[in-house]
Amino acid sequence: QKEVEQDPGPLSVPEGAIVSLNCTYSNSAFQYFMWYRQYSRKGPELLMYTYSSGNKEDGRFTAQVDKSSKYISLFIRDSQPSDSATYLCAMVEGSSNTGKLIFGQGTTLQVKP
Amino acid sequence: NAGVTQTPKFQVLKTGQSMTLQCAQDMNHEYMSWYRQDPGMGLRLIHYSVGAGITDQGEVPNGYNVSRSTTEDFPLRLLSAAPSQTSVYFCASSRDRGGNGYTFGSGTRLTVV
Repeated sequence: QKEVEQDPGPLSVPEGAIVSLNCTYSNSAFQYFMWYRQYSRKGPELLMYTYSSGNKEDGRFTAQVDKSSKYISLFIRDSQPSDSATYLCAMVEGSSNTGKLIFGQGTTLQVKP
Repeated sequence: NAGVTQTPKFQVLKTGQSMTLQCAQDMNHEYMSWYRQDPGMGLRLIHYSVGAGITDQGEVPNGYNVSRSTTEDFPLRLLSAAPSQTSVYFCASSRDRGGNGYTFGSGTRLTVV
């Protein structure tokens, strides 16, 4: 079993929809949580970073962390065609001194006009 | 400020050949990592470094070597290329061990025939 599980999709939604992307993890040592967006043939870019349970909002994006359930989510409101990309969750152990990111498999999202 | 620069962008190798993928960052980041990305697998950690002179293995290190003689550079060497090493390779760097601010390069697409 992988440490981080993410539904690979693909996920297709109409423009304006609310999108929910999810990851579960098995390692309770993970304390730092990130969401990356990756456009086709590009490198991942950091969207959201959080280290506490609860919600963090940035514009149309909300990251949610539930450490008790080992579950994180990314919500995209009013989705746009420009949001079409692969979304990757990533985590780092709190006790680690290495900065190693452990990624989920990535979810491919298509937002149709 | 160039960020993380990877060269080459594309490469075709014959089985058994060796080569070095270059990675350089100009942000004075201590933490640097190499990942490979394969369809449906997300990003898997090959090797990482927590500072000049300090490297360690990640999840899939076999067939790869790294060294870190300076803060700026973190080259990845393929010792004897195999078709299983056909992948997209990403280098990343970060200023802290919690993973915040990880910046990725644009990737190297490697094909081994």
